[in-house]
Amino acid sequence: EAQVTQNPRYLITVTGKKLTVTCSQNMNHEYMSWYRQDPGLGLRQIYYSMNVEVTDKGDVPEGYKVSRKEKRNFPLILESPSPNQTSLYFCASRPQGAQPQHFGDGTRLSIL
Amino acid sequence: DAKTTQPPSMDCAEGRAANLPCNHSTISGNEYVYWYRQIHSQGPQYIIHGLKNNETNEMASLIITEDRKSSTLILPHATLRDTAVYYCIVSFTDNYGQNFVFGPGTRLSVLP
Repeated sequence: EAQVTQNPRYLITVTGKKLTVTCSQNMNHEYMSWYRQDPGLGLRQIYYSMNVEVTDKGDVPEGYKVSRKEKRNFPLILESPSPNQTSLYFCASRPQGAQPQHFGDGTRLSIL
Repeated sequence: DAKTTQPPSMDCAEGRAANLPCNHSTISGNEYVYWYRQIHSQGPQYIIHGLKNNETNEMASLIITEDRKSSTLILPHATLRDTAVYYCIVSFTDNYGQNFVFGPGTRLSVLP
């Protein structure tokens, strides 16, 4: 089944403790991206990647890192999480061209 | 900022057609219109997209006006499971990425 898989689905952690949210897609898509969703602010793009080893900032990249060493994986790294990064996170992927993005089921992070 | 304007909420009777409007008066020639929906806090689900012509798939129909400044998503026979937030997005795709900005969307309530 074609899908975008995020892990973990839920995480409660404390300020400053490094964490990684993994994202994997099995559709051989070139493009992957990360979004966060907050009440009243909608979905905002954090980072995106056009292909392996090619990443770029979205609208709200501060406090986040990403890497794209393999085509299928696009982890989101919070080096020193803070409470303002408490949010619902979505990973998405799509093939080249004007094709729609496919979203994962989301990761709910709570930073205390 | 989102390039689209949608009504914040709409109701529809179960079994009737749901017509969700979207204004995108500043759309440019290479921008597509995409529709997604989000049920509760699940990942956004792709519905349909188009450039100029009307489109239809198993989920919905997309009607784009001739001047491309507005569009309508039609769910022909709405069911209770279609209750969701519906997002209309205009986006271009080039070699540098895909500008995908989610606005607040329309909260559709399908009533029994």
